[in-house]
Amino acid sequence: GAGVSQSPSNKVTEKGKDVELRCDPISGHTALYWYRQRLGQGLEFLIYFQGNSAPDKSGLPSDRFSAERTGESVSTLTIQRTQQEDSAVYLCASSSRTGGISEAFFGQGTRLTVV
Amino acid sequence: KQEVTQIPAALSVPEGENLVLNCSFTDSAIYNLQWFRQDPGKGLTSLLLIQSSQREQTSGRLNASLDKSSGRSTLYIAASQPGDSATYLCAVPPSWGKLQFGAGTQVVVTP
Repeated sequence: GAGVSQSPSNKVTEKGKDVELRCDPISGHTALYWYRQRLGQGLEFLIYFQGNSAPDKSGLPSDRFSAERTGESVSTLTIQRTQQEDSAVYLCASSSRTGGISEAFFGQGTRLTVV
Repeated sequence: KQEVTQIPAALSVPEGENLVLNCSFTDSAIYNLQWFRQDPGKGLTSLLLIQSSQREQTSGRLNASLDKSSGRSTLYIAASQPGDSATYLCAVPPSWGKLQFGAGTQVVVTP
């Protein structure tokens, strides 16, 4: 597609339920990032995928959070047993090292509300 | 560990004035530097990317400079308009790894 696509755009879930957030990167982009942004706060790094290398999971806040990506395709961020503090906008970005340039592009985010 | 700082945290100017936004980083071994804009409740929009070998980059009313030796980048927005009101973020990726963001500068341009 033309840009990074995230779905759903909005998700309301009950506390304790599992949720899956999806990110479709720009075709051919080898790098994919997930960030979290709580209301009025800055960007919080969650996880980074680069091609077939082992992902950098250092930002995942707890073992309730996990993410997968197969090759250079779609990524899924899963939050198990959601808590109210998980309420935030989850942002995905992708980039590619083409010609020495690595420009990152973001999706519009998924707004998660845990009630 | 790369630390990215943006000053000021907030800025309010009357329409027509030029905007100057600052970004500093602690590790000069950067691959490039990217400036983004974020409108309330929205994702990030890429404004400018400066490669590590460049000193500046221009797009319309926007001009960004990069001084790797001093660990600084400056985003200039000429003749500001109310539509420029947003939060502006800079991000620095190493050759491999996550984008390291500053906390952003919240800009308000008053008519």
